[in-house]
Amino acid sequence: SAVISQKPSRDICQRGTSLTIQCQVDSQVTMMFWYRQQPGQSLTLIATANQGSEATYESGFVIDKFPISRPNLTFSTLTVSNMSPEDSSIYLCSVSAGAFTGELFFGEGSRLTVL
Amino acid sequence: KQEVTQIPAALSVPEGENLVLNCSFTDSAIYNLQWFRQDPGKGLTSLLLIQSSQREQTSGRLNASLDKSSGRSTLYIAASQPGDSATYLCAVNSGNTPLVFGKGTRLSVIA
Repeated sequence: SAVISQKPSRDICQRGTSLTIQCQVDSQVTMMFWYRQQPGQSLTLIATANQGSEATYESGFVIDKFPISRPNLTFSTLTVSNMSPEDSSIYLCSVSAGAFTGELFFGEGSRLTVL
Repeated sequence: KQEVTQIPAALSVPEGENLVLNCSFTDSAIYNLQWFRQDPGKGLTSLLLIQSSQREQTSGRLNASLDKSSGRSTLYIAASQPGDSATYLCAVNSGNTPLVFGKGTRLSVIA
């Protein structure tokens, strides 16, 4: 299994500001995933972050709103830009034990509240 | 398009009871199915991963079964404890596509 640390664990943000979430893994992984979980909802994949290439975004998510960095095989960041109250969610970093078909492991999540 | 449904949405049981959580999926062409536990406001903890070629997996008091042809999986929890109270999510992996999650079953075990 992988140990995944996320920062911050929670934050309260003002409308129009941006926040960067960090994800650190205790081992090298090829693929990292960023998910969003809106209140009372299940998880939705935002993007897949591969080291050395641009992130791949799912339908409904764009790079300008959710820029992602993946500088090495153990670290990634997700920025939530120009936040609105609709962005209030738990944002989760995840890694796979093997490409798309391996066991998935999650961080503790970052709970953002936008006022 | 794969869809995952979990029934019931919420469940409350007295401590000590055995219980079953259900997960169904519409497309049987899957690689694996994973069960997770989520505590309020927290991340997900992987409980069990069942490959498409497997029928069941066990970990402690947890047993997950998979019937791929009928598009169903169950998570059996034996001798439930208050510490089992959480939301349980199942997620289906169909290969080179994102995992599809169910909405979860919110379990409360009453002491």
